[in-house]
Amino acid sequence: GQQVMQIPQYQHVQEGEDFTTYCNSSTTLSNIQWYKQRPGGHPVFLIQLVKSGEVKKQKRLTFQFGEAKKNSSLHITATQTTDVGTYFCAGPDNNAGNMLTFGGGTRLMVKP
Amino acid sequence: ETGVTQTPRHLVMGMTNKKSLKCEQHLGHNAMYWYKQSAKKPLELMFVYNFKEQTENNSVPSRFSPECPNSSHLFLHLHTLQPEDSALYLCASSPPGLATDRQFFGPGTRLTVL
Repeated sequence: GQQVMQIPQYQHVQEGEDFTTYCNSSTTLSNIQWYKQRPGGHPVFLIQLVKSGEVKKQKRLTFQFGEAKKNSSLHITATQTTDVGTYFCAGPDNNAGNMLTFGGGTRLMVKP
Repeated sequence: ETGVTQTPRHLVMGMTNKKSLKCEQHLGHNAMYWYKQSAKKPLELMFVYNFKEQTENNSVPSRFSPECPNSSHLFLHLHTLQPEDSALYLCASSPPGLATDRQFFGPGTRLTVL
């Protein structure tokens, strides 16, 4: 079945450092979505990328969708303590209606 | 607030108990989901309902029994659970029809099975 992998699983950074998480799918995706889950919270939608090679920015966050539409990345510039949480990527399951296949997530910890 | 509510927020139950988790959404969505989140499997899909019909059962043990009486409400009935079923149970919903749409998650129910 379709698999979505994320690396790294964990990342500790000093506040002010940059952070990147990578997402790879075993199949071509029609789109990729990113979610953030704060500690003790629930996943919250951040963004959706649809086009091959697409790049979108949200303040200090930059999202990329690969040319082959099988990989994606999330880059945070100059991390802040408010960036702490787990970042998940997700792509539609090619074999099932409106299901998403989620990656395992990258847990970001920021030292003040 | 995402428009998806879940009750209770915390639940402790014994292995012989029967309990139910409730999820409600007021977003006009027709698709609803149950996920299990634990340290071992961060986001594990359990069930999918489209227009009140179950369209996916991701090999979930029969001690978990979902119910979707209408497009706004989703239940997860629990009975004779095991300690390894302790986890955060998340409900989500999404707009009808499109496989590409984002999902809106509720706050979750933290379940502890003793």
